[in-house]
Amino acid sequence: SQKIEQNSEALNIQEGKTATLTCNYTNYSPAYLQWYRQDPGRGPVFLLLIRENEKEKRKERLKVTFDTTLKQSLFHITASQPADSATYLCALDWGKLQFGAGTQVVVTP
Amino acid sequence: DAGVTQSPTHLIKTRGQQVTLRCSPKSGHDTVSWYQQALGQGPQFIFQYYEEEERQRGNFPDRFSGHQFPNYSSELNVNALLLGDSALYLCASSLGLVWPGNQPQHFGDGTRLSIL
Repeated sequence: SQKIEQNSEALNIQEGKTATLTCNYTNYSPAYLQWYRQDPGRGPVFLLLIRENEKEKRKERLKVTFDTTLKQSLFHITASQPADSATYLCALDWGKLQFGAGTQVVVTP
Repeated sequence: DAGVTQSPTHLIKTRGQQVTLRCSPKSGHDTVSWYQQALGQGPQFIFQYYEEEERQRGNFPDRFSGHQFPNYSSELNVNALLLGDSALYLCASSLGLVWPGNQPQHFGDGTRLSIL
């Protein structure tokens, strides 16, 4: 079966630095990969979608890469702010959308 | 522009009971998917409804069933509740019957279901 791995340990980062999160998967590459943000007690909020034939996607301070050879996606938050503190989930399309467990990011002033 | 709304926000049930959760999709959306999110885990896909029919289903038993109404709203029913059904139940909407990975999913804030 398909497996998705995201860092289970929280990522603590200082304001202004770049946060980098990883999403690794097994078996065959999905056609699409998405990243979501989830705040405590709230539903996930869509951030970015990247297709298997795209290497990189950007939106404001966010950047996603998709390496089908390494079976990995990286999610970057540049110039991080305390308001970026949340859990970030990757989701892979294998016919059904399958989510990783998420990585918590804590940005301290 | 109304987003996805779910009701109730919290619910407490006992083992063996049955529960119905409700979802209204984002304005203009016609496809509804349901997810279960256990504490510390990512959402797990339960099923998807489009044109009032179940189109895809995840690895959940038949105790989990659903319905979609002509106005695109949806219900999730769970019978014979188990302690392990305690979770946050999320509804997500999108437009059209396409692979879910091909477009953003718009989530509601969920129903927190606790089984005693």
